[in-house]
Amino acid sequence: GAGVSQTPSNKVTEKGKYVELRCDPISGHTALYWYRQSLGQGPEFLIYFQGTGAADDSGLPNDRFFAVRPEGSVSTLKIQRTERGDSAVYLCASSTDQGGDEQFFGPGTRLTVL
Amino acid sequence: GESVGLHLPTLSVQEGDNSIINCAYSNSASDYFIWYKQESGKGPQFIIDIRSNMDKRQGQRVTVLLNKTVKHLSLQIAATQPGDSAVYFCAEKGGNEKLTFGTGTRLTIIP
Repeated sequence: GAGVSQTPSNKVTEKGKYVELRCDPISGHTALYWYRQSLGQGPEFLIYFQGTGAADDSGLPNDRFFAVRPEGSVSTLKIQRTERGDSAVYLCASSTDQGGDEQFFGPGTRLTVL
Repeated sequence: GESVGLHLPTLSVQEGDNSIINCAYSNSASDYFIWYKQESGKGPQFIIDIRSNMDKRQGQRVTVLLNKTVKHLSLQIAATQPGDSAVYFCAEKGGNEKLTFGTGTRLTIIP
């Protein structure tokens, strides 16, 4: 079956611009996670959705970052007024339900802010 | 704060030999641990997991050992193959749904 997909695979933008990153989880997975991975580092948690609601957004670095999952499936991570420090790979993962331990990761979106 | 770290950033192993990748964690409340493999340009791929009520779990060519006394986790890969070359991350979860990852160890298999 299809795994987690993310689009675009690469995004280059200019400082100050707005970007949207999309995640399509595995069909039927109710839990969805966003992580950010800087070069040479492990992924860092950003936000976790259970269904349509953000159950834990404690990892979002500031109010320029926002994520939605309006229908409980596809999720969009939105970054306003991008900064060079936002450059990273943004990873999405999904799991079967709350407490579903194994998180399946997508290939990520590489964001470069010039 | 809680952290998950690795003892060695790089490891080179001769093809066919066994490899051991180590990880230390600091959150004693963690009850679930996972090893992920990440190849260049790809997302992390699940390898094996272990719960805190166990001290050893085996998969195909991989074994995870958990020592809660010293908060240490290890991944053993038997009979390494070129395809095992990747960055390996340990991650832990405790009390909530988010995973906390370590920095990673780059494993290189020498033909």
